[in-house]
Amino acid sequence: DQQVKQNSPSLSVQEGRISILNCDYTNSMFDYFLWYKKYPAEGPTFLISISSIKDKNEDGRFTVFLNKSAKHLSLHIVPSQPGDSAVYFCAASLGNTPLVFGKGTRLSVIA
Amino acid sequence: DAGVIQSPRHEVTEMGQEVTLRCKPISGHDYLFWYRQTMMRGLELLIYFNNNVPIDDSGMPEDRFSAKMPNASFSTLKIQPSEPRDSAVYFCASSPTVVLGYTFGSGTRLTVV
Repeated sequence: DQQVKQNSPSLSVQEGRISILNCDYTNSMFDYFLWYKKYPAEGPTFLISISSIKDKNEDGRFTVFLNKSAKHLSLHIVPSQPGDSAVYFCAASLGNTPLVFGKGTRLSVIA
Repeated sequence: DAGVIQSPRHEVTEMGQEVTLRCKPISGHDYLFWYRQTMMRGLELLIYFNNNVPIDDSGMPEDRFSAKMPNASFSTLKIQPSEPRDSAVYFCASSPTVVLGYTFGSGTRLTVV
């Protein structure tokens, strides 16, 4: 069973608007969360992360929010740009173990 | 550094044939991971190594899959015999830690017909 769930396979957003990508997890012991971005024919690359002791982390246009009680995190991209069009993977870590990834959400930013 | 290098980029093979995927990790990275990407399951961990030693292969789907890391600069993932359901993109990643700093290769797209 999927421990990290990205229930929206795809999302379309107008350029300049906000993109919100969602991720749910089942294991409350996860202590670190990451977002990766993947372009076609390339491997995933690290985008932003958050520790379970925080509820928000910001890096430029990208902000990740963590709601531990709901076991939910989200990635906000403001403003969205056409170059943000990619597949975004949510990942989680359980202590000293490899990352567990979700299925990914394909973001299309329309000019 | 050239990053994580995977070969081949694409592989098309007939069912029943042996397939070998190759990976050269970043020098100095102690961890190497093999992931598989499919539409149904997303990115799933197959196996990972620490200092060339396999640590957890519980994600390897069947005995048809095997992985080796004979030295710090090379790893292989072998499927024998291959089946159509093995068709996927296989990624190798290396990292200095088990959680942070993953660098992925560009992947090998495997098609078994």
